[in-house]
Amino acid sequence: KQEVTQIPAALSVPEGENLVLNCSFTDSAIYNLQWFRQDPGKGLTSLLLIQSSQREQTSGRLNASLDKSSGRSTLYIAASQPGDSATYLCAVGKSSNDYKLSFGAGTTVTVRA
Amino acid sequence: DTGVSQDPRHKITKRGQNVTFRCDPISEHNRLYWYRQTLGQGPEFLTYFQNEAQLEKSRLLSDRFSAERPKGSFSTLEIQRTEQGDSAMYLCASSLVRGPGELFFGEGSRLTVL
Repeated sequence: KQEVTQIPAALSVPEGENLVLNCSFTDSAIYNLQWFRQDPGKGLTSLLLIQSSQREQTSGRLNASLDKSSGRSTLYIAASQPGDSATYLCAVGKSSNDYKLSFGAGTTVTVRA
Repeated sequence: DTGVSQDPRHKITKRGQNVTFRCDPISEHNRLYWYRQTLGQGPEFLTYFQNEAQLEKSRLLSDRFSAERPKGSFSTLEIQRTEQGDSAMYLCASSLVRGPGELFFGEGSRLTVL
């Protein structure tokens, strides 16, 4: 069974600082990895998807890297803003047959103005 | 709005009552997924459909839970004889059958069982 771990569980930084969020998974035989953002009481917003053959993906201030062999992904958020305060979830897809995702518990980020 | 739509957003019910949630996926998406999320945890897979066929059910989906996707469009998730442990956010997602496998989630339906 795929186990996904996100450390730390919570993070508080001053505005402008770069954020580094970590995700690790136990089974390296993955199809893809997705990072999501979740605001309190809301659904999930997809941020970035990395295919297993890719090493990284970028979108604006966000950059996600993937090291499949070591079972790790990192989400970098440059020049954080108070609006980046949310919970960030990492999810791993094992198979192209079904695209089911296994989720970590998330990292809750607070960016202080 | 062409995203995944869920209804109702919030449901408060008494223990023992039945509840039903509806999910309308992105129109061209063949696959539809249900997940459950409890406070402080990541979502857990419940079941998924490809068109109208329910292809997999998690062991989390007890006999009191039933999901349908008639005609391969919207889906419903019914919980019978609700228990306090059913209190959670129920999330629906959809995806294309082919492609990178990106899942798009709705806003969720929050269930509180008193």
